[in-house]
Amino acid sequence: NAGVMQNPRHLVRRRGQEARLRCSPMKGHSHVYWYRQLPEEGLKFMVYLQKENIIDESGMPKERFSAEFPKEGPSILRIQQVVRGDSAAYFCASSPAIDFPQETQYFGPGTRLLVL
Amino acid sequence: QQQVKQSPQSLIVQKGGISIINCAYENTAFDYFPWYQQFPGKGPALLIAIRPDVSEKKEGRFTISFNKSAKQFSLHIMDSQPGDSATYFCAASSQGGSEKLVFGKGTKLTVNP
Repeated sequence: NAGVMQNPRHLVRRRGQEARLRCSPMKGHSHVYWYRQLPEEGLKFMVYLQKENIIDESGMPKERFSAEFPKEGPSILRIQQVVRGDSAAYFCASSPAIDFPQETQYFGPGTRLLVL
Repeated sequence: QQQVKQSPQSLIVQKGGISIINCAYENTAFDYFPWYQQFPGKGPALLIAIRPDVSEKKEGRFTISFNKSAKQFSLHIMDSQPGDSATYFCAASSQGGSEKLVFGKGTKLTVNP
């Protein structure tokens, strides 16, 4: 039973480029969450998605960041025109459907983004 | 109101000792309190979680104590081992955990042999 998968594991971008981070949830999970972790900091919520739906994007920066979870395929977190301050570890978590008894969020290994 | 405060920031314990990490929250809507363990370069892994209808939950060497009136909860690691050396995060969520997790800033635990 594969866990949450994220790729790439490491991503290097130059300022102004685009970063695309992918997340495949655990089998049977239909909820995806994205979190960002700065060095020596806790994780900060960014966005919560279900298939084809953004449920809560209260943690997303207003500009340059977007997320989607299409009907088919992985969830994508897109960062346009990256800046050095975007350098962080980005984690995806997934959980089962909301009416399932266990709503625990299971985390992937993360994508470490470095902006040069 | 969304904050979760975690202490201490770092903790050094001798092998066999008890490690205690504390967290406090403000939002009374929180009803799900997990603890995550994170090793360097890895994603957080769920360790143990508690809901406010119980005051304590134990799984092996790990115990969560929960004080609803004080809005505090803590993680106790009994018989701490060098392999427990990691960063531990408390978190809180509402709607039984289906909402976003609000994390503490983490505690770096070092267990000396």
